[in-house]
Amino acid sequence: KAGVTQTPRYLIKTRGQQVTLSCSPISGHRSVSWYQQTPGQGLQFLFEYFSETQRNKGNFPGRFSGRQFSNSRSEMNVSTLELGDSALYLCASSQTGSHEQYFGPGTRLTVT
Amino acid sequence: AQKVTQAQTEISVVEKEDVTLDCVYETRDTTYYLFWYKQPPSGELVFLIRRNSFDEQNEISGRYSWNFQKSTSSFNFTITASQVVDSAVYFCALSFSGGYNKLIFGAGTRLAVHP
Repeated sequence: KAGVTQTPRYLIKTRGQQVTLSCSPISGHRSVSWYQQTPGQGLQFLFEYFSETQRNKGNFPGRFSGRQFSNSRSEMNVSTLELGDSALYLCASSQTGSHEQYFGPGTRLTVT
Repeated sequence: AQKVTQAQTEISVVEKEDVTLDCVYETRDTTYYLFWYKQPPSGELVFLIRRNSFDEQNEISGRYSWNFQKSTSSFNFTITASQVVDSAVYFCALSFSGGYNKLIFGAGTRLAVHP
């Protein structure tokens, strides 16, 4: 089975712009979670989607949003980018009923 | 509140040494899950193990072993006969029954294994 894929792998944006990141889960996995990793704050949970519904959300401002499609692929969007949004964004997928999450390679976002 | 503490920021060992990475967790939930992940320089988090709160059996997988002790809220990870390929950042994480798949991570321990 193919693993979790994320696109793009690297992204450079300017302050004030918006960005959309994509995640394709492992085939058959219906849960997709997103995490932000920064040197200062470490790994922080953004949100989780299951069957196209957000069922859990971390403590991030409303500029961070996401969605999930019927094929379980997920996107996250960050609007009005700030310098502090520079981070590695990791996506993870999980099978229904399993608590094991498998991560993708991440998207490294740099905001200048 | 849930919390994971990895007190060791960095560990440096010479190849073939044994090394133990410490993890202490806090939760009021009676059902929870503990994990270890490895993050090599490439950045991807690699799943190593999951432990349920109701299963305190220790586990061994090759050179890796895990010691889960509810009495001390610890879930420590030992690498026996370390190798250079073990160099990475290791994260301990916690999820709980009411949080679905939300993982709470520790700060990570950077392990450097020198030849």
